[in-house]
Amino acid sequence: EAEVAQSPRYKITEKSQAVAFWCDPISGHATLYWYRQILGQGPELLVQFQDESVVDDSQLPKDRFSAERLKGVDSTLKIQPAELGDSAMYLCASSSRTSGRPEQFFGPGTRLTVL
Amino acid sequence: AQKVTQAQTEISVVEKEDVTLDCVYETRDTTYYLFWYKQPPSGELVFLIRRNSFDEQNEISGRYSWNFQKSTSSFNFTITASQVVDSAVYFCALSEEGNNDMRFGAGTRLTVKP
Repeated sequence: EAEVAQSPRYKITEKSQAVAFWCDPISGHATLYWYRQILGQGPELLVQFQDESVVDDSQLPKDRFSAERLKGVDSTLKIQPAELGDSAMYLCASSSRTSGRPEQFFGPGTRLTVL
Repeated sequence: AQKVTQAQTEISVVEKEDVTLDCVYETRDTTYYLFWYKQPPSGELVFLIRRNSFDEQNEISGRYSWNFQKSTSSFNFTITASQVVDSAVYFCALSEEGNNDMRFGAGTRLTVKP
């Protein structure tokens, strides 16, 4: 069964350092999402890509966060510099191009701890 | 603005009991989509079901069933004869037709004890 891949699974970093997360969506899925999930809460959308283009990054803190999907396949989310409040689970999801708001399939996530 | 409320923060049942997880949503759109996801301790969100606003038919899948009622803006999820493996956090989510965002509720942590 096709899955969304993410790495690393866990990341511990110190405040002010740079971190990067990688996501490889299900093959053929044109839409890719990055979510942040704070402990005890539901995921919140950070950025959405359609192929290589950003569709929605209204909730992305652009002063420190950046995301790219250069070839419209895998994607990288970067935080620089990391702050204590960035500690959370970062989830990647993908969906197919079909209409009717298709379901999103999620990867295992990257759990970030900022010390 | 779209909003999803899962009033039950935690539920604990004994194996084989039936359990219902509540979900109430708010939206101004006439076209929208509702979802349920399961998040086991491993952290990965597992898709369970999608419903569009024009399809109020209830659905049953094995031990799982969903009750969609537009009149009360609710999309409740029932697990029949619960099992220990059902222990997880369950999220209800809403996506409006004209909005890229999928808004999740805060989740309900279900613990099924043997």
